[in-house]
Parts: sequence; C-alpha cells; structure tokens
Amino acid sequence: DVKVTQSSRYLVKRTGEKVFLECVQDMDHENMFWYRQDPGLGLRLIYFSYDVKMKEKGDIPEGYSVSREKKERFSLILESASTNQTSMYLCASSVGGGFNQPQHFGDGTRLSIL
Amino acid sequence: EDQVTQSPEALRLQEGESSSLNCSYTVSGLRGLFWYRQDPGKGPEFLFTLYSAGEEKEKERLKATLTKKESFLHITAPKPEDSATYLCAVRSYLKTSYDKVIFGPGTSLSVIP
Repeated sequence: DVKVTQSSRYLVKRTGEKVFLECVQDMDHENMFWYRQDPGLGLRLIYFSYDVKMKEKGDIPEGYSVSREKKERFSLILESASTNQTSMYLCASSVGGGFNQPQHFGDGTRLSIL
Repeated sequence: EDQVTQSPEALRLQEGESSSLNCSYTVSGLRGLFWYRQDPGKGPEFLFTLYSAGEEKEKERLKATLTKKESFLHITAPKPEDSATYLCAVRSYLKTSYDKVIFGPGTSLSVIP
C-alpha cells in the first residue's frame, strides 16, 4: 500500500512566521501535490511537482512556495504566515503521466495561524 | 470557467436505504472523473476512475456512472460504515499546460443504524 506521511497532524503558528510542512511518500511516485481543503470550497491545488527540483503552480500559489530536493519528499513553505492561511493541508502523490492516475493522500496537517 | 458541483451537500440515510449522490461538471475537455471517499480526520481515499460517457464501475455497495454532464455514485443498501464524505474530481484538458484536476466540495453521507 502507498503511504503518504505528513510530518504534523496539528500545527499552531503566529502571523509572520515562516512555516514548513513536510510530506514523504514511500512508493517512488513521480508526482507530488499540495492542496488546501476548506469547508464548502473543496480541495484547491497549491503546487505540484512532476520530478525532483521541478514544480508547477496550481490554482492558489500566492503566499506559498515548495521544495522537492528528493523524489520522496515534497515540502510546502508559507513564506510569511497569515491568518487566511489557516486551513487543512493535504499532500498527495501519484505515478507519472500528469494527472492521469489517482492520487494517494496523506492524512493532512491542520494548520492554525494566530 | 471550469466547475464541479456536488449534490446534495449532506445526506442522511437509514441503513439499507439506497440512494445516489450527484457530481455535475462543466469543463473544457473531460479527461477523466475520479471518486474519492474521505473519513473524518483522514485524507481522501481513491474509489473509482471513469473516462467516458456510459462507463460504470462497481465496488461492494457502490456503483459509479458517467454521462456527458454528470456522474452518479449509487449506494445500494448502505451500512453505517459507508458514512463518509464523498468527493468527485474532474480531470480536464489544458492546451497550454498540464491538465488539471478540479475537486467538488463533497457530499457528507451519514448512514443511521
């Protein structure tokens, strides 16, 4: 079974802090994704990566950056956290081929920015 | 603008009471439609992929169908363990970039014993 592990289940940070969310997958998947999930809005794609050191903006990249130095690890960075970034963050991975394959999700990080 | 909607927002069923969830989409160039199940405090778990109108997939008490404008997730004789939020996601074709996947807001299903 594919396992996608997110480093924290719950995180509380202050406005202006730089925040790192980490995600690791163990199935050698080429693609990795970061989403945020808010009630009534569904999952919205922040960034995705189709290879090491490669990244593409999703629908809502403003205020975020990402890093993929190793194939199994994809980090989401909030450069200067703001209260409107309080949300559930979900990481996912899939085999290659763009968005053709189903995505495997981690259990999420619930981030609160105070 | 590409859009995915789901109805109803919430559904309460008695155990054994069959029903359907709807996913409607307006996208330019459908490349596939995914159904996921999400339990509280967990990430979404993949259920089905459908690629073309008329296609059907089944898994236990669940059956997914696809038309040109919508997909249905039929739940036959549900049990309490089927309680979850069901998400649909549509993969659409972009000429200039990678395809994208748009998620609907989900339907929260509660099955009462």
